[in-house]
Amino acid sequence: EAGVTQFPSHSVIEKGQTVTLRCDPISGHDNLYWYRRVMGKEIKFLLHFVKESKQDESGMPNNRFLAERTGGTYSTLKVQPAELEDSGVYFCASSQASLADTQYFGPGTRLTVL
Amino acid sequence: GENVEQHPSTLSVQEGDSAVIKCTYSDSASNYFPWYKQELGKGPQLIIDIRSNVGEKKDQRIAVTLNKTAKHFSLHITETQPEDSAVYFCAATTVGGSYIPTFGRGTSLIVHP
Repeated sequence: EAGVTQFPSHSVIEKGQTVTLRCDPISGHDNLYWYRRVMGKEIKFLLHFVKESKQDESGMPNNRFLAERTGGTYSTLKVQPAELEDSGVYFCASSQASLADTQYFGPGTRLTVL
Repeated sequence: GENVEQHPSTLSVQEGDSAVIKCTYSDSASNYFPWYKQELGKGPQLIIDIRSNVGEKKDQRIAVTLNKTAKHFSLHITETQPEDSAVYFCAATTVGGSYIPTFGRGTSLIVHP
């Protein structure tokens, strides 16, 4: 069974540009989460999808971040326009139907904003 | 909200030694404490977890202890091996609530052969 995949693995952009990160969860997992880790700090929750619906987006930093999960399969996280403080590693995780299920993390996308 | 403190930030041990990573949490409602291991180039993977109705849990060379009164929990790795080298994250959450984990800042464990 394929794990959670994320694309790209690395992205280097300039301040003001737009970047779109993609996450493909494990097939059949209804729950999809986005997290971010800024260097040396904790992994912070961004938002949670149940199928195509946003269940909790309380962790989204501001309106420059837009997450979508059309059709309840893969998800995208767009940052527009990117700022220096958006640099970090963005993780996606998925779990099955129950919120109590183990979350399986992808390898992350390392975003560097210059 | 919940706040999780994790120490140390880096830990260097010789192969065969034991390693202990400690975490404290602030929200007494938290009742589920997973530990994740992140190897280079990979995402965090759950290695062991403990619920608040249990004081200790063991799985081969790794064990986790929980002190609810003091609000702290620890990861113990015995007979460390070079492949244990990774970043370890503790987390706290509430099963039955949002189940969104609050993570510690991570501990970089280096096991020297």
